[in-house]
Amino acid sequence: DSGVTQTPKHLITATGQRVTLRCSPRSGDLSVYWYQQSLDQGLQFLIQYYNGEERAKGNILERFSAQQFPDLHSELNLSSLELGDSALYFCASSAGTGGTQYFGPGTRLLVL
Amino acid sequence: GESVGLHLPTLSVQEGDNSIINCAYSNSASDYFIWYKQESGKGPQFIIDIRSNMDKRQGQRVTVLLNKTVKHLSLQIAATQPGDSAVYFCAESTLSGNQFYFGTGTSLTVIP
Repeated sequence: DSGVTQTPKHLITATGQRVTLRCSPRSGDLSVYWYQQSLDQGLQFLIQYYNGEERAKGNILERFSAQQFPDLHSELNLSSLELGDSALYFCASSAGTGGTQYFGPGTRLLVL
Repeated sequence: GESVGLHLPTLSVQEGDNSIINCAYSNSASDYFIWYKQESGKGPQFIIDIRSNMDKRQGQRVTVLLNKTVKHLSLQIAATQPGDSAVYFCAESTLSGNQFYFGTGTSLTVIP
């Protein structure tokens, strides 16, 4: 158990819908990272927040957004969902702005 | 963007043998590298890391070797066990940075 929690574990929705994924980092960690993992691709970095502020952006679509709240938990919002958005979404946390990242168990999203 | 690639997508080894998983990276500025293990249905799990001021680091049954000259990273697993069967990812970053670039992964299968 990495100490990073993610909810929900599974999510099934339809195209065009909007969903919110939630992540709680390890106690004391200030950074939260979001990744997408699909069957034909490795881990794709989406975005990082550090202590409530956006720190880095990766391959995140404009339909996707995220935020980190004062209690340091983070939410990833996916809107106008498409079939191709079906994937595993992982959250990771680290103590500082860089360094070792500890991953949560992931949210499996299926868009029908 | 930076690319991190793995030489072998799959690797099968006999139980008790040593395993070697290789990884090439492309960013000369990367100074921090991590190996992760991902079992089916779970999030990536930290195995071992190494900074660029080292060329070797040992953990419990695992050793990471870094060759900065040829931008090559390897993970050696001693006395491989069935529980080692998983996908292994290498990732590169900078200690002060925030983006991790992951390889596509190598699937290790341990044959009893």
